Amino acid sequence: IQLTQSPSSLSASVGDRVTITCRASQDISSYLAWYQQKPGKAPKLLIYAASTLQSGVPSRYSGSGSGTDFTLTISSLQPEDFATYYCQQLNSYLLTFGGGTKVEIK
Amino acid sequence: QVQLVESGGGLVKPGGSLRLSCAASGFTFSDYYMSWIRQAPGKGLEWISYISISGNTKYYPDSVKGRFTISRDNAKNSLYLQMNSLRAEDTALYYCTREGRMGDYVFDYWGQGTLVTVSS
Repeated sequence: IQLTQSPSSLSASVGDRVTITCRASQDISSYLAWYQQKPGKAPKLLIYAASTLQSGVPSRYSGSGSGTDFTLTISSLQPEDFATYYCQQLNSYLLTFGGGTKVEIK
Repeated sequence: QVQLVESGGGLVKPGGSLRLSCAASGFTFSDYYMSWIRQAPGKGLEWISYISISGNTKYYPDSVKGRFTISRDNAKNSLYLQMNSLRAEDTALYYCTREGRMGDYVFDYWGQGTLVTVSS
């Protein structure tokens, strides 16, 4: 299952609303997770089951979608949110990740 | 607190072998499925192996199948990755990950990674 993220990068300002999309090559129901990775750090789980926030993750993060189209939204971008975001499909044991979306400071 | 500490990375020649280890602490290791995920320099994430609690079920993508072997020792709270016939494209940071309780294949804890460089 291929996952295509868009955009591959974006520039935004603190306080902006940011949306990242992830499209699956076939129906994966709600079997999708999102991770955040900062430079030099391991990825961190943000959302699983497409829309369930991992414990401790700020509520400005939200996920939506099912089937083949999914979105990660940051409602009001904070300085600590500048990072690369990856989606991951959980539908098949042949796990795959999207190519990543780098969120940079405008 | 949950800790995953990888070791065993280094520089190896093409065709060579390497064994990675991951020491787990802060949780009951024998209760969790585990995986290895890698990241080539400046690139995205690639899942490369998965092992069940008992160690009887293992999965690999085609890119490493037949060359890499995942294993675990629940008595030692340790996860391993034996890598043979290494290629330049195996150069990456290798992460040990834990599958959380929130569903299959969701990775809630990651180690800091161990770097493998395949070069002559």
